[in-house]
Amino acid sequence: GDSVTQMEGPVTLSEEAFLTINCTYTATGYPSLFWYVQYPGEGLQLLLKATKADDKGSNKGFEATYRKETTSFHLEKGSVQVSDSAVYFCALHTDKLIFGTGTRLQVFP
Amino acid sequence: DAGVTQSPTHLIKTRGQQVTLRCSPKSGHDTVSWYQQALGQGPQFIFQYYEEEERQRGNFPDRFSGHQFPNYSSELNVNALLLGDSALYLCASSLLPPSYSYEQYFGPGTRLTVT
Repeated sequence: GDSVTQMEGPVTLSEEAFLTINCTYTATGYPSLFWYVQYPGEGLQLLLKATKADDKGSNKGFEATYRKETTSFHLEKGSVQVSDSAVYFCALHTDKLIFGTGTRLQVFP
Repeated sequence: DAGVTQSPTHLIKTRGQQVTLRCSPKSGHDTVSWYQQALGQGPQFIFQYYEEEERQRGNFPDRFSGHQFPNYSSELNVNALLLGDSALYLCASSLLPPSYSYEQYFGPGTRLTVT
C-alpha cells in the first residue's frame, strides 16, 4: 500500500544552519505531497504542498520539490530559527491522507 | 473566520467505557476526517464523513464509529475503550470533491487517556 518514510529525528541544529529533512514515498498513481508542522501542544498546520512532478512548494522560507524519479519530497530551509522548533510530517494523498512518522527539529540559539 | 474546533481538549476514561469526541469544521467546509495520533507517531486515518455518510474508512475496528450532522459538524465515538486507544484524536475539514491539490485543515485535537 501507499506509504511515507521520513528520516528519524531528532534533528538538532544551531540557529541559521541549513536544514534538510528527507522524505520518500511509495504510491500507486500520482499523489499530491504535503509537509505539515506540529508545534508543541497544537494540531497540524499545512506548511507547503506540491501536486505534480517537478512542482516546488514553498512557505515561510521552507521549500520542497516533488521528485517523481526519486519518489522524494525533501524539506529544506536555508537558515533555521529557534521558532522553527517543531515536529514536521511528510504526507501524501491519493484517496486518503497518509503521514510519515514525523521528524522532530530542535533549533538552539 | 473560525478554524476547526474540537471538544473536549482533554479526556480521561476507564477501560471498557465509551467516549464521544466532537468537531466543528472550518466555515465553508463540508467534509470531516478523523485521525488518531499515538505518542511519537504520525496521524493515522480513521474515517471521513461527507453528506452525513461515512465515505471512506481506514484500518480501525468497528468500535470506532462516527456521525456527521446537517451543519457538517461531526462526532467520533469509541466503544469498549482499550488502553491502546490513548492518543491525540485530530479532526480535519476540507471541501469535496477534492481537486488534485487536496488540502485539509486540522483542529487542535482531543487528548484521550484511557486508564
